[in-house]
Order: sequence, then structure tokens, then C-alpha cells
Amino acid sequence: RKEVEQDPGPFNVPEGATVAFNCTYSNSASQSFFWYRQDCRKEPKLLMSVYSSGNEDGRFTAQLNRASQYISLLIRDSKLSDSATYLCVVNPLSGNTGKLIFGQGTTLQVKP
Amino acid sequence: ETGVTQSPTHLIKTRGQQVTLRCSSQSGHNTVSWYQQALGQGPQFIFQYYREEENGRGNFPPRFSGLQFPNYSSELNVNALELDDSALYLCAVVGQGNYGYTFGSGTRLTVV
Repeated sequence: RKEVEQDPGPFNVPEGATVAFNCTYSNSASQSFFWYRQDCRKEPKLLMSVYSSGNEDGRFTAQLNRASQYISLLIRDSKLSDSATYLCVVNPLSGNTGKLIFGQGTTLQVKP
Repeated sequence: ETGVTQSPTHLIKTRGQQVTLRCSSQSGHNTVSWYQQALGQGPQFIFQYYREEENGRGNFPPRFSGLQFPNYSSELNVNALELDDSALYLCAVVGQGNYGYTFGSGTRLTVV
């Protein structure tokens, strides 16, 4: 079993749609959680951290369920520019240890 | 502009050769990590350096080695290259007190 699992997609949605991505992780002791965005042939860029209380940044909402070891990302009112691969990322340790565990990524394609 | 520079951007090597990839960052980034991203996969943790010492390693063989220098720049060395080493190699830095892991734009290595 992979440490972080995501549905690779692709998710093809029309502009304006709401889309949700899910991710599960295997290590119940994991400490911090992130969503990264990666454009084709570019480096991953931090989209948002994920907290147990849930957090929102504009059209993006992230949720963490520690009991189910499940992370979600919701994108509302999808834009063409949201087309990218979304990586679920888990840090099994506290602090800035650098050992991030990435999921395979979920590809989103937003169409006009 | 991420503040993290990797060189070269692209590289083609022959199986069995050795390669050195480089990463430099702004001062204050005393922790650097290296990741390997194969096509269609999420990045995989190779190792991390903190103040010139390796302090974490992923599931990679010893022919993957690294260095961190007093100016916080870093190198990834791979000996006896194999075809499966073809990937995007990313370095990531973590600033003090900063939970944001910033990636360089990567080096795309092709082994033929």
C-alpha cells in the first residue's frame, strides 16, 4: 500500500464547476499536510497547508480528517488556469524535516 | 522567482556514467532536500541535509549521494547511472521557522 494515495484522474470539468479531490495516508502519526500544485514540466508549488479545523483560501477549501486519515481539496468556480496536477503531501514528522511524502497527483483539466 | 536555483536544467547521460546536479538558495535556508520525480509519479524523497550533514534518507541506493556547503548550496551525485534514473530531480529548501517548502525548477535527467 502506498503511503499517500490519490486518484490520478484525469478529472475533466467545465469552467465554473466545483470539483473535489481526495487523498488517504497510511501513517496515523503524520504531523502536517499540504496540497501542492504542479503545472506541466514545472516544479511543485505550495497551494495550501491543511489543518484539522479546515481552511479556506478563496475558491479553495482543504479539509483534514485524522480519524479517517483522509485529506480533501475542494475547488469552487473552476477556472481554465486551475488546470494542473494537484499533489497531496504528508510530512510524517513535526517541524521542518523536509521528508515530504507525495501522492501520485490528481490531474485536473478545466475546459471552456 | 522561487529563490532556489538548480543547474543544469536538462541533461542527457549514458548508462554507467556519473552525474552531479546543483542547487543554490538564498541565505538562511539551512535545510535542503532532494527529490526524484519519475514521469507520472509524485516526487520521491532522496535525502535531506541540515547544516552540511545528511539527516534523513529515503529508499535510494548508496550510489545516490550528496553534499551541502557552508553557503547552503548543495549537490546531488549519482554514480553508475541506470535507465530508471531518468527523472526530474528537485531540490527543496526550508527556511527557519517557515513551514513552506520551496522547490527549485528542477533538473531533467535523461539516461540513454
